[in-house]
Amino acid sequence: QKEVEQDPGPLSVPEGAIVSLNCTYSNSAFQYFMWYRQYSRKGPELLMYTYSSGNKEDGRFTAQVDKSSKYISLFIRDSQPSDSATYLCAMSRPSGYSTLTFGKGTMLLVSP
Amino acid sequence: DVKVTQSSRYLVKRTGEKVFLECVQDMDHENMFWYRQDPGLGLRLIYFSYDVKMKEKGDIPEGYSVSREKKERFSLILESASTNQTSMYLCASSLVSKGTRTDTQYFGPGTRLTVL
Repeated sequence: QKEVEQDPGPLSVPEGAIVSLNCTYSNSAFQYFMWYRQYSRKGPELLMYTYSSGNKEDGRFTAQVDKSSKYISLFIRDSQPSDSATYLCAMSRPSGYSTLTFGKGTMLLVSP
Repeated sequence: DVKVTQSSRYLVKRTGEKVFLECVQDMDHENMFWYRQDPGLGLRLIYFSYDVKMKEKGDIPEGYSVSREKKERFSLILESASTNQTSMYLCASSLVSKGTRTDTQYFGPGTRLTVL
């Protein structure tokens, strides 16, 4: 079983839809969870960061962590064409040298 | 704002050439990382460094070496480039805050390397 699993998509939605992006993981030692957004031919940019379980909201974005189910989600409300990108989840353990374990990314396409 | 810059956006090299990819960060971060990103394989860690002159192998170090002579600069070296090293190379840096541990990594724009 891979440490982090993420559906590659593409996920196609109309403008204004609520988008749900998800990752599952197998290592219960992960404590820090991140979402990165990557536009085509660019480097990933940090979108959201959460520690342990719970929700975090930032504008149209909500990150959710359910450690009991080993499942994390990113919700995007009122999706815009500019949200079209690949979304990568990442996570790390509270020890070691700050290395992250990444999902392979989900491509999101928001049509006008 | 953290800024991570990479020396080239696009690079074309020939098989057998020695290739240097440079990365510079301006936020005094201790940790620096080199990844490659390929379709269907995601981001794979090549090497990382947690201090000047220190380096650790990542998941796929074969065919690569690194150099970190100054805190802000981390170089990836392909000793003898091969066609299977054609890829997008991404550099990242992170700050480990004492007390409140954070592992967020900040990425550069990437170098798309083609080896012919």
